Amino acid sequence: GMPVEQNPPALSLYEGADSGLRCNFSTTMKSVQWFQQNHRGRLITLFYLAQGTKENGRLKSTFNSKERYSTLHIKDAQLEDSGTYFCAAANSGTYQRFGTGTKLQVVP
Amino acid sequence: DAAVTQKPRYLIKMKGQEAEMKCIPEKGHTAVFWYQQKQSKELKFLIYFQNQQPLDQIDMVKERFSAVCPSSSLCSLGIRTCEAEDSALYLCSSSQGGSGNTLYFGEGSRLIVV
Repeated sequence: GMPVEQNPPALSLYEGADSGLRCNFSTTMKSVQWFQQNHRGRLITLFYLAQGTKENGRLKSTFNSKERYSTLHIKDAQLEDSGTYFCAAANSGTYQRFGTGTKLQVVP
Repeated sequence: DAAVTQKPRYLIKMKGQEAEMKCIPEKGHTAVFWYQQKQSKELKFLIYFQNQQPLDQIDMVKERFSAVCPSSSLCSLGIRTCEAEDSALYLCSSSQGGSGNTLYFGEGSRLIVV
């Protein structure tokens, strides 16, 4: 199967709602990075994790290398959170493999 | 985010023409990666340079592309003979210290082959 499976492929949230995205890895990864891709195509780094949990404002991400998954949680969704979210994971010495993306739409 | 610069932002080529895209990595970064993205779907790895040397690349790049990083401050990705399937957003990223470290991306070069 795919080395990185990302779910859900699409998500629609009302403003103020909370939700989560998940990436499962077919093999042990050493690090994961989460990105938001804006309408111009630029990938903005949200988190880089080698282990554990990080929080930044309304966003929180967890990486469990042993259990082979990572999550991105969005709290109190805002209109500007709309976009496509990608996880990318790497093992040492290899390039980052990207998930298939989650297209998030936040509606009023 | 770090400043990775890509040029041009857009290019339109006819089938059979050559295309070239340039990337200026973030200063001090030793690893450069190129990815191809079609229709906002997942990013497809193309090639990875470490200290200006290609360390990994997919077969398609070996066969039809030309990619070099002649200096730590400029890399390029070329397509020798454009095909319709090459229409995509080409994203360059760089990182410190090699693969597995934080990636910083440019805005991409959008290629349309007609």
